Amino acid sequence: AQSVTQLDSHVSVSEGTPVLLRCNYSSSYSPSLFWYVQHPNKGLQLLLKYTSAATLVKGINGFEAEFKKSETSFHLTKPSAHMSDAAEYFCVVSDGLPPSGGYNKLIFGAGTRLAVHP
Amino acid sequence: GAVVSQHPSRVICKSGTSVKIECRSLDFQATTMFWYRQFPKQSLMLMATSNEGSKATYEQGVEKDKFLINHASLTLSTLTVTSAHPEDSSFYICSARKGGTDNSPLHFGNGTRLTVT
Repeated sequence: AQSVTQLDSHVSVSEGTPVLLRCNYSSSYSPSLFWYVQHPNKGLQLLLKYTSAATLVKGINGFEAEFKKSETSFHLTKPSAHMSDAAEYFCVVSDGLPPSGGYNKLIFGAGTRLAVHP
Repeated sequence: GAVVSQHPSRVICKSGTSVKIECRSLDFQATTMFWYRQFPKQSLMLMATSNEGSKATYEQGVEKDKFLINHASLTLSTLTVTSAHPEDSSFYICSARKGGTDNSPLHFGNGTRLTVT
């Protein structure tokens, strides 16, 4: 079975400092991994996705994530936080079986709430 | 880009009544739609997978007679919470997958905040 663990429920950073949101996964197959962001009372927006191509994935708004198979990790980073980055972030693994993978049933992590202080 | 519209954004209903939530894909055809439920400060839990023209597939523990799903067209899926109770109060979010391949991206609606009094 596939699962996702987000190691921090809350992360607080100062504006202009780096952001690190940690995610570990378990998967019986080559996984597809995603990061989504959710602003209060809103739906989810895809930040980036990994689907067995380049291990360093660049997304929107300056975010990127690196797939590390040996560590079963897919941590989300950003060099410099903005106030507008304050939101809930979800690490997600696809439940797709090979070779389709991709956007099948999604398994969500518990979420990490990012706070950005002036 | 692709847009998924969810309506209403907020609804308050009395216990025992039914509420219908609509999920529309505005600029693409969605063969598959997913319904999620999110409790406060928690993650999204998949409730069911809605397939156009066929019965929905419900996740374990989700009552299909309570959460009725209809996917009558390629642009509309509805979730009806029947005989709602306060414990059904939650944030419901739909997502739609653009028709085509299994690798088609998922697009999320903005969610519906249901409060049952």
